[in-house]
Amino acid sequence: NAGVMQNPRHLVRRRGQEARLRCSPMKGHSHVYWYRQLPEEGLKFMVYLQKENIIDESGMPKERFSAEFPKEGPSILRIQQVVRGDSAAYFCASSPPFIIPGQGNYGYTFGSGTRLTVV
Amino acid sequence: AQKVTQAQTEISVVEKEDVTLDCVYETRDTTYYLFWYKQPPSGELVFLIRRNSFDEQNEISGRYSWNFQKSTSSFNFTITASQVVDSAVYFCALSTTDSWGKLQFGAGTQVVVTP
Repeated sequence: NAGVMQNPRHLVRRRGQEARLRCSPMKGHSHVYWYRQLPEEGLKFMVYLQKENIIDESGMPKERFSAEFPKEGPSILRIQQVVRGDSAAYFCASSPPFIIPGQGNYGYTFGSGTRLTVV
Repeated sequence: AQKVTQAQTEISVVEKEDVTLDCVYETRDTTYYLFWYKQPPSGELVFLIRRNSFDEQNEISGRYSWNFQKSTSSFNFTITASQVVDSAVYFCALSTTDSWGKLQFGAGTQVVVTP
């Protein structure tokens, strides 16, 4: 049972380019969450998606950032025209739509993250 | 609004010492969930524990133990007989039933264990 898969693990982009980060949730998980960890900081919630639907994007920057979770395929976090301040680790988590009794971690699993460096 | 405070930025200990990490949370919800995660130097997030607000029983798992006290809104974490492999950043996090999948993280505490 594969965990949450994020790729690429490391991504280098020049200023002004686009960055696409992918997240494949665990099997059976229909909810995806994206978090950003800026250097020397904690994780900040960005967006919560279900298949073909954005549930909560209260943490997303207003410009240049978008996220989707299509019916088929992974969730994508897209950053257009990247700037140096976008350099961070981006983590994805997935969960089932409800709490599963007995699942110690609350059914909430993080991927290994994508480290974006903007040069 | 939810808030998690980890007042300790960094704690340095010598191997075999005990170390306690503080976590204080704020929420108006009566049902909520508290978590601890470990982030080693390799960068991934490792789940350690989840606690429901209606279960105040303390928990021990090997050298790790957690003390949940609703009266003081605290969920502290102790590593007993620390080892070098415990060196990491530890995050406390909170979620509530109205947004149960959305975690509010504390700023993290860096634990440095030296031989």
